[in-house]
Amino acid sequence: ETGVTQSPTHLIKTRGQQVTLRCSSQSGHNTVSWYQQALGQGPQFIFQYYREEENGRGNFPPRFSGLQFPNYSSELNVNALELDDSALYLCASSVGTENNSPLHFGNGTRLTVT
Amino acid sequence: DQQVKQNSPSLSVQEGRISILNCDYTNSMFDYFLWYKKYPAEGPTFLISISSIKDKNEDGRFTVFLNKSAKHLSLHIVPSQPGDSAVYFCAASDSGTYKYIFGTGTRLKVLA
Repeated sequence: ETGVTQSPTHLIKTRGQQVTLRCSSQSGHNTVSWYQQALGQGPQFIFQYYREEENGRGNFPPRFSGLQFPNYSSELNVNALELDDSALYLCASSVGTENNSPLHFGNGTRLTVT
Repeated sequence: DQQVKQNSPSLSVQEGRISILNCDYTNSMFDYFLWYKKYPAEGPTFLISISSIKDKNEDGRFTVFLNKSAKHLSLHIVPSQPGDSAVYFCAASDSGTYKYIFGTGTRLKVLA
């Protein structure tokens, strides 16, 4: 069974640039959620994708966008990067959209914005 | 507004003793709760969950207790092992939503 994989592991970008983070879901999982974890905080929900459509969104501006592909892999795109976007970005996969399906996380992408 | 709170940022326990990690929540609509463990440079790993229809769930050395009237849950680890040293997050969700609300984490250190 293949777990959740994320790429790249680390990334340094300049304020104003754009970034794309990638995630492959665990085999058998059809739902992908993205979370942002700032230093010293718990993960914060960005959005969820199910059947290639956004299924829900947290309190993040529209410059955070995503995609899900037919193979259930996903991308997180962030435009016009700001210094506060520096964080660990976590992708998690699960089965369906019911809240009784635990999330299985990847190891994250550490984004630094300078 | 922090709907899920872990008020102890850190906890140290001797190997072999019990570790008790606490979590409080404010939203009475939450009906599913999870605990995750996180090592440095790794993503959170699912440990154990509990539904609001139960007040206890056990899996090996890990037991989660839920007190709905107090809006409080706790994770008991017994016996604690040095490999349990990590940051522990509790998370909560309610039926019909798609997102989990996480606490800020408690760093557990198990001393050999």
